[in-house]
Amino acid sequence: DAKTTQPNSMESNEEEPVHLPCNHSTISGTDYIHWYRQLPSQGPEYVIHGLTSNVNNRMASLAIAEDRKSSTLILHRATLRDAAVYYCILRDHKKVGTASKLTFGTGTRLQVTL
Amino acid sequence: SQTIHQWPATLVQPVGSPLSLECTVEGTSNPNLYWYRQAAGRGLQLLFYSVGIGQISSEVPQNLSASRPQDRQFILSSKKLLLSDSGFYLCAWSVRGPSNQPQHFGDGTRLSIL
Repeated sequence: DAKTTQPNSMESNEEEPVHLPCNHSTISGTDYIHWYRQLPSQGPEYVIHGLTSNVNNRMASLAIAEDRKSSTLILHRATLRDAAVYYCILRDHKKVGTASKLTFGTGTRLQVTL
Repeated sequence: SQTIHQWPATLVQPVGSPLSLECTVEGTSNPNLYWYRQAAGRGLQLLFYSVGIGQISSEVPQNLSASRPQDRQFILSSKKLLLSDSGFYLCAWSVRGPSNQPQHFGDGTRLSIL
């Protein structure tokens, strides 16, 4: 499976935008880029996913590089409730069964301060 | 809207005792269902995956088993718990279909073995 690389931690001030980077230089053509986050003592929460084009939803935006070797999750206005570990995950949409599992790395721990 | 319920939220069990964790999904039909475990300070590990009633795939050999007696019910069991079974157990569901579909997680069960 193609791997992703994320910074261990990032800090942001409340109400400022946050750009969380992810490198995936060995991404294949059938890999979707997924982002999840995990708040303390909770299960992971789906944030957003995309293949080639930039994506927006109510939680965040996903900017995908033209060569797809990197992507950036954008939180437009960070709040204290956005403090979590953010995971960038590649998923091959042609795989089935247990091969479709989510493989979580160490992610980026986002701290948001007043 | 779809919801996923897991119980209990926390559990303390002695070594050698049995285990039964239950997960139910509402608001959707024929979901894919998953059991993950997260050891302290580590990423999630897929334990079991199910595409339908009575259809269970195991990701790794272990002391645990899973069953799906109804379409939206997934149960994780053990006959005799080991110390190494401690962890944060998460149930998740996804729409059946391509594996790029997001997975939606429950709030988890924190299991401590004494």
